[in-house]
Amino acid sequence: EAGVTQSPRYAVLQEGQAVSFWCDPISGHDTLYWYQQPRDQGPQLLVYFRDEAVIDNSQLPSDRFSAVRPKGTNSTLKIQSAKQGDTATYLCASSLWGGRVQNTLYFGAGTRLSVL
Amino acid sequence: GQGVEQPDNLMSVEGTFARVNCTYSTSGFNGLSWYQQREGHAPVFLSYVVLDGLKDSGHFSTFLSRSNGYSYLLLTELQIKDSASYLCAVRSPDSNYQLIWGSGTKLIIKP
Repeated sequence: EAGVTQSPRYAVLQEGQAVSFWCDPISGHDTLYWYQQPRDQGPQLLVYFRDEAVIDNSQLPSDRFSAVRPKGTNSTLKIQSAKQGDTATYLCASSLWGGRVQNTLYFGAGTRLSVL
Repeated sequence: GQGVEQPDNLMSVEGTFARVNCTYSTSGFNGLSWYQQREGHAPVFLSYVVLDGLKDSGHFSTFLSRSNGYSYLLLTELQIKDSASYLCAVRSPDSNYQLIWGSGTKLIIKP
């Protein structure tokens, strides 16, 4: 069984540039998460979907970040105008929907973003 | 307030054991998970606990005390490849049932 696939693995930008991250979850997983993980910190949830619907995007900086999952499978996270504070690893994870409780998340390898 | 706290670093010796501590403060509790994250890699699920006591899973065991807001991950017969960060995450209605993550404990194992 293939795991969660993310691309690109690395991205280096100047401030103000845009970047998109792509995620392909485990086949059959209806729930998809995007996390931001600054160096030496735990993951911080940005947004998560059940199928194509956004369940919670309250932690997504909506002025510059956007996320879509149009067919309920792959997903794209975009940063319109990157800032140095966006430097972090962006992790995608998937799981099966378990109501309020999804106990096991499967993570992709992440995209390591550096904004200069 | 809500939060999950872990010590930054822990050092141990190959062949012995290591105990990674996690304390949490939430107004509700719906389970605690442990993940292993090797440098430059994604977190990998290890264990989930929701009831008090010790859960023995062989190389990894987990303990939970809900009344004290405390858990630990116990690794026995340490191998060099166990060197990694260990992340604790708590699910709570405080966060709309999403995981609240600690910053992780970096475990270094010496020969």
